[in-house]
Amino acid sequence: AQSVTQLDSQVPVFEEAPVELRCNYSSSVSVYLFWYVQYPNQGLQLLLKYLSGSTLVESINGFEAEFNKSQTSFHLRKPSVHISDTAEYFCAVSEVGASGTYKYIFGTGTRLKVLA
Amino acid sequence: DVKVTQSSRYLVKRTGEKVFLECVQDMDHENMFWYRQDPGLGLRLIYFSYDVKMKEKGDIPEGYSVSREKKERFSLILESASTNQTSMYLCASTLTGGRNTIYFGEGSWLTVV
Repeated sequence: AQSVTQLDSQVPVFEEAPVELRCNYSSSVSVYLFWYVQYPNQGLQLLLKYLSGSTLVESINGFEAEFNKSQTSFHLRKPSVHISDTAEYFCAVSEVGASGTYKYIFGTGTRLKVLA
Repeated sequence: DVKVTQSSRYLVKRTGEKVFLECVQDMDHENMFWYRQDPGLGLRLIYFSYDVKMKEKGDIPEGYSVSREKKERFSLILESASTNQTSMYLCASTLTGGRNTIYFGEGSWLTVV
């Protein structure tokens, strides 16, 4: 079974500084990878996803993630963060369950705190 | 716009009560999921459903059951609530296939006293 590891539970960073949130998954077979963001008191929403093709994927608000198959990683980066990026970020992978249906496995999350 | 609606945002229940958490999606998705979210543990899958009346256990099904009588509705049932089930519960839905975006509701905060 797949597992997702987010080693950093909290990441404080000053506004306009760069940030990297790390994510590693357990299997090197073909995977679909996702980053979701959760703002306070809300559900999760998709930030970006890797399905195939270019290993660098981008979101509309300046985040990007790079799929690295050899290192089984999918780290999330932003060159310059804003206060409004303060949220919890979850890395996820989909895998096939016993029924043949895909299920989604999430990491433990990383709280990004952007400081003024 | 895509919508997953969880019927209750905040609930307080007593130990031993039967608890129903309801979730409705308006996107005609085949798959629906229930997760619980706890600090430091992230999201853990309780159960998911891939069709009406069809379900599969997730990673932490003990103490929970589910019901899916209609495609748009997926219920989570705590047969006899316990204090260790105090948590945030998140419902989600998606189309068949692992490439698709999974859409979440806003969550239900359950406190068992």
